[in-house]
Amino acid sequence: SAVISQKPSRDICQRGTSLTIQCQVDSQVTMMFWYRQQPGQSLTLIATANQGSEATYESGFVIDKFPISRPNLTFSTLTVSNMSPEDSSIYLCSVDGRGSRGTQYFGPGTRLLVL
Amino acid sequence: AQRVTQPEKLLSVFKGAPVELKCNYSYSGSPELFWYVQYSRQRLQLLLRHISRESIKGFTADLNKGETSFHLKKPFAQEEDSAMYYCALSEAAGNKLTFGGGTRVLVKP
Repeated sequence: SAVISQKPSRDICQRGTSLTIQCQVDSQVTMMFWYRQQPGQSLTLIATANQGSEATYESGFVIDKFPISRPNLTFSTLTVSNMSPEDSSIYLCSVDGRGSRGTQYFGPGTRLLVL
Repeated sequence: AQRVTQPEKLLSVFKGAPVELKCNYSYSGSPELFWYVQYSRQRLQLLLRHISRESIKGFTADLNKGETSFHLKKPFAQEEDSAMYYCALSEAAGNKLTFGGGTRVLVKP
């Protein structure tokens, strides 16, 4: 398994500002994923981040709003840009379980409230 | 497009009673199905995968391709089973997961 940490664990932000969330893994992984969990909702995949290539975004999510970096095999960041109250969510990163399709290990999440 | 449906948002059972969480999916290819669980104040974690055909913490799940279902069952629920349960589907290519809406299980003493 992989141990994943996220920073910050929570934040309260003003609308119009941006927040960068960090995800750190204790081992090298190929694929990292970013999810959003809106209040009372399930997890929705934002994008898949592979090291050395552009992130692949899911329908409804765009790079200008959610830029992602993946500088190495143990780290990624997700920025939530020009925030509005609708961006209030829990943001989770996960990594793929090596050699086991669909098995993912999740971080603790970042709880974001936009005022 | 793939879709995962969990029709029950909340299941409340008494300790020792059977519990079944329903999951239905739609996907044109050959999916892999999973159950993930989130206990209070803990992170989301894998409970079981259909390809493993294993029993974890007394839970089992059978993939029924004819009914496109992957229901999770436990014959005797325990209080520690109280948690949020998510059914998830992985496509044939790649490791992306599509999650259902989740079912909250409450096991009463």
